[in-house]
Amino acid sequence: DIQMTQSPSSLSASVGDRVTITCRASQTISSYLNWYQQKPGKAPKLLIYATSNLQSGVPSRFSGSGSGTDFTLTISSLQPEDFATYYCQQSSNTPPTFGQGTNVEI
Amino acid sequence: QVQLVESGGGLVKPGGSLRLSCAASGFTLSDYYMSWIRQAPGKGLEWLSYISSSSSYTKYADSVKGRFTISRDNAKNSLYLQMNSLRAEDTAVYYCARGELSPLDQWGQGTLVTVSS
Repeated sequence: DIQMTQSPSSLSASVGDRVTITCRASQTISSYLNWYQQKPGKAPKLLIYATSNLQSGVPSRFSGSGSGTDFTLTISSLQPEDFATYYCQQSSNTPPTFGQGTNVEI
Repeated sequence: QVQLVESGGGLVKPGGSLRLSCAASGFTLSDYYMSWIRQAPGKGLEWLSYISSSSSYTKYADSVKGRFTISRDNAKNSLYLQMNSLRAEDTAVYYCARGELSPLDQWGQGTLVTVSS
């Protein structure tokens, strides 16, 4: 199975901050990398698919980049509604696997 | 609009069984592979299984292989997860989602399964 490792596991930030979360795959996954946002008590929500494609309705302050094994989610200017846990997921090989999550808190 | 609604969760004793359902609306279920994912309390996301649009192909995580069975009824716009031989470590919120190796672009709200004596 492909292991996905996110860093950091948690971070503290303020409104307006630029936030970067990284995700590393244990083997190359081309661009088959997705990002999800999950708020407490809610289902995950797809933010970005195939490394850098914004899901419909997702604000443009979210962006993704990378290829191969190293990927990044960036929030250009953190908003109050962005405080949540973020997961990366590889969709290159079965089983699809998730990172352990990054909790973005105030 | 697209909606997925899980049901069937609850409290079950170790060794027991439970069948989860996921009702789909707002899209043609038969056009999509579907998946089940779970999240143990305070933990991350774990993919469990997916099923092809025509039910001809299924895959399972090693953690549930031989115990869980995914199925679907496109005529009823429904996805199912039959869970047998349940263990304490199966306690989690179970989500259905649209997709498999494609991005999981729609998720249900989840249903809680608690395995405890």
